[in-house]
Amino acid sequence: KQEVTQIPAALSVPEGENLVLNCSFTDSAIYNLQWFRQDPGKGLTSLLLIQSSQREQTSGRLNASLDKSSGRSTLYIAASQPGDSATYLCAVAFYNTDKLIFGTGTRLQVFP
Amino acid sequence: SQTIHQWPATLVQPVGSPLSLECTVEGTSNPNLYWYRQAAGRGLQLLFYSVGIGQISSEVPQNLSASRPQDRQFILSSKKLLLSDSGFYLCAWSAPPGTGGAREQFFGPGTRLTVL
Repeated sequence: KQEVTQIPAALSVPEGENLVLNCSFTDSAIYNLQWFRQDPGKGLTSLLLIQSSQREQTSGRLNASLDKSSGRSTLYIAASQPGDSATYLCAVAFYNTDKLIFGTGTRLQVFP
Repeated sequence: SQTIHQWPATLVQPVGSPLSLECTVEGTSNPNLYWYRQAAGRGLQLLFYSVGIGQISSEVPQNLSASRPQDRQFILSSKKLLLSDSGFYLCAWSAPPGTGGAREQFFGPGTRLTVL
């Protein structure tokens, strides 16, 4: 069964810290992996997409890496800000399918 | 640019009543369309996806159905709502295979459904 797991479930840090959020998946035959942000009561905002042939993607203060052999992805947030507070979701499209399997998310709080 | 709309934003319905949620996409043609549900304390679950008009695949047996009457319109329905249908319903789209894209999925703002 294809599963996606995220740790930690929740994280509270002071402003300015560098953060690492973790995502693991059970099947290395992935097509791509997406990281999303979800604010309370809102839809999902796509942050980064890594295709299976890539090792990492960067957007501003965000960097996502992918290691298919170990079944892991990390989302690195540099110099965190209170505006980064949200739930971060990892989702995997396994090979030859458009279906995304979601992790349960990491709820991040950045306090001033 | 592409945009995705969902309505209504919130809905409170009694048990046994019908349901119709609508999703529309602008700025793209022949998208793949998806309905997800996010129940309280649970992760996002794919309910239905569609690769074209009238083509619907169901992922989870349930009280709901989906239809795609037009290329960029996706509707989620129920004839009789259950308490367990409560949740946050999200519609998403992606470019179809063969268009050279990475099949990134983009989500709408969601509909909060409460069944009483």
